Amino acid sequence: QQQVKQSPQSLIVQKGGISIINCAYENTAFDYFPWYQQFPGKGPALLIAIRPDVSEKKEGRFTISFNKSAKQFSLHIMDSQPGDSATYFCAAMEYNFNKFYFGSGTKLNVKP
Amino acid sequence: NAGVTQTPKFRILKIGQSMTLQCTQDMNHNYMYWYRQDPGMGLKLIYYSVGAGITDKGEVPNGYNVSRSTTEDFPLRLELAAPSQTSVYFCASSSSAGGMDTQYFGPGTRLTVL
Repeated sequence: QQQVKQSPQSLIVQKGGISIINCAYENTAFDYFPWYQQFPGKGPALLIAIRPDVSEKKEGRFTISFNKSAKQFSLHIMDSQPGDSATYFCAAMEYNFNKFYFGSGTKLNVKP
Repeated sequence: NAGVTQTPKFRILKIGQSMTLQCTQDMNHNYMYWYRQDPGMGLKLIYYSVGAGITDKGEVPNGYNVSRSTTEDFPLRLELAAPSQTSVYFCASSSSAGGMDTQYFGPGTRLTVL
């Protein structure tokens, strides 16, 4: 059973557009929700993360929106650039249990 | 700092062979993790460690073993390799339980079992 469901699987966005990736979870004990960016041949790298006590977190062009009642969170990439082309993973974690559960990934392609 | 290093980068095993994937971090992190990433899938946690001498199972531990004798090293052992273990393996470390801290990932080991 997949703990974190991510959509879409792939996404094509024009340069300057907004990329939106969605994730949903079932376990209400999850209390930490990071997003990772992975370039081909590299390990994932933390992009931005949120705790459920806030509904939104913004860092530069990247924003996480969090809806606790719906058990959903999403990543918005504003003014998308070709250099943002990568695979993005959402994840969820129950802080005291040290176990991260990852979504299946979204391959983003930003066209120039 | 080299961060998290993994060796080897690539390996081909025959069914039934064994091998150890090496992982070393030089950031003095207490927490270390092993994940596998199958094509088109997210990462699945195999084992993790909260400090030297302490390890615990993750989501998919069957067919693997780990040890943590030092803070720096967290090797992953595959016994009796099977085709289902063909995957890319990532090691990661963090200084805390990931709550407010970054998990740093190594570059990965691509393993094929034939």
